[in-house]
Amino acid sequence: NAGVTQTPKFRVLKTGQSMTLLCAQDMNHEYMYWYRQDPGMGLRLIHYSVGEGTTAKGEVPDGYNVSRLKKQNFLLGLESAAPSQTSVYFCASSYPGTATEAFFGQGTRLTVV
Amino acid sequence: GQQLNQSPQSMFIQEGEDVSMNCTSSSIFNTWLWYKQDPGEGPVLLIALYKAGELTSNGRLTAQFGITRKDSFLNISASIPSDVGIYFCAGQRPGANSKLTFGKGITLSVRP
Repeated sequence: NAGVTQTPKFRVLKTGQSMTLLCAQDMNHEYMYWYRQDPGMGLRLIHYSVGEGTTAKGEVPDGYNVSRLKKQNFLLGLESAAPSQTSVYFCASSYPGTATEAFFGQGTRLTVV
Repeated sequence: GQQLNQSPQSMFIQEGEDVSMNCTSSSIFNTWLWYKQDPGEGPVLLIALYKAGELTSNGRLTAQFGITRKDSFLNISASIPSDVGIYFCAGQRPGANSKLTFGKGITLSVRP
């Protein structure tokens, strides 16, 4: 089983460039999430989606946009990358309900120079 | 936003020792989860807890959902080198069925 797959795994961007991170899950999960992980900060929620066609802001949404056109895919976009967005990005998915166990992808390491 | 408190940030133990980690909050949670992250990988779920007072084991790992619903602990017995990694607690608050709150994690090092 593939689970949650993120592409790309590594990327270097120049300040001001744009890019899209792709997350795909094959578990038929309703909920999907984008987190960023920075040293000493833990996992911080950027945006999330509770179903196809819906998105919502998390804890640190500024500078990012998302889309959930298909249930299995959740895209994270950076329109104009900044050095402060250098981070490791994780996608996760889960079933809805009160027992929310999130399954994570392997991460995308993004460096903005 | 609401935080889960994990401390210390790093722990160093000798192979074969037991180690216990706490996760606390000022608010109640309906679900507590413990994740482990290996270097270069995404977090992997270790144990999930759904009821106050619940005690659950997974091999050498044991976790408990605090009776006040404001804390949880994870115990690792007879540590081995592959226990090295970052251990995160996460919780789901009442009314927040779609989101988890994560602690900042504890980095565990195991000396052979």
